[in-house]
Amino acid sequence: RKEVEQDPGPFNVPEGATVAFNCTYSNSASQSFFWYRQDCRKEPKLLMSVYSSGNEDGRFTAQLNRASQYISLLIRDSKLSDSATYLCVVNRDSGNTPLVFGKGTRLSVIA
Amino acid sequence: EPEVTQTPSHQVTQMGQEVILRCVPISNHLYFYWYRQILGQKVEFLVSFYNNEISEKSEIFDDQFSVERPDGSNFTLKIRSTKLEDSAMYFCASTRENNSPLHFGNGTRLTVT
Repeated sequence: RKEVEQDPGPFNVPEGATVAFNCTYSNSASQSFFWYRQDCRKEPKLLMSVYSSGNEDGRFTAQLNRASQYISLLIRDSKLSDSATYLCVVNRDSGNTPLVFGKGTRLSVIA
Repeated sequence: EPEVTQTPSHQVTQMGQEVILRCVPISNHLYFYWYRQILGQKVEFLVSFYNNEISEKSEIFDDQFSVERPDGSNFTLKIRSTKLEDSAMYFCASTRENNSPLHFGNGTRLTVT
């Protein structure tokens, strides 16, 4: 099983739509969870950390289900500028372990 | 906002040549990383560095690779004898605390011909 698996893309949605991305991780000992976005040929940029109780940042909501080893990202009221690849990122194990990346899900928001 | 900076932005080299990729992490960060991304593939961990030594490395990070922090600001990745399959985007990242979000540099695109 891959360390971090994400929905295959691409997702093509109209402006204003709500879109959800899912991610599963293989190691139940992982403790740190993030969503990053990556524009074409650019570096990954932190979108938000994911906390156990779930968290929201404007139009973005992240959820974590430790029992199912599942993370989600919901984007409401999609904007053209949301078009990017969304990367699910998890630390490999407990403690001082590197962050590992999913392959990402590409989102295209169309006018 | 402080940034991680990487140079050069693009490096073209011939197979078998040595390359050094340079990074200046954010100044008060303590943990440094190199990742790479082959075109169309996922971001892959190469190596982490803390307290002037490697803390973890992946199986990609073989004897051809080395890292150094030669002074208080630079963090370098050396590839001793490049192969065609080393062509990728190499990202440097840093963070202040363990398991905190990583701050990435703009990357160096390495093309091995």
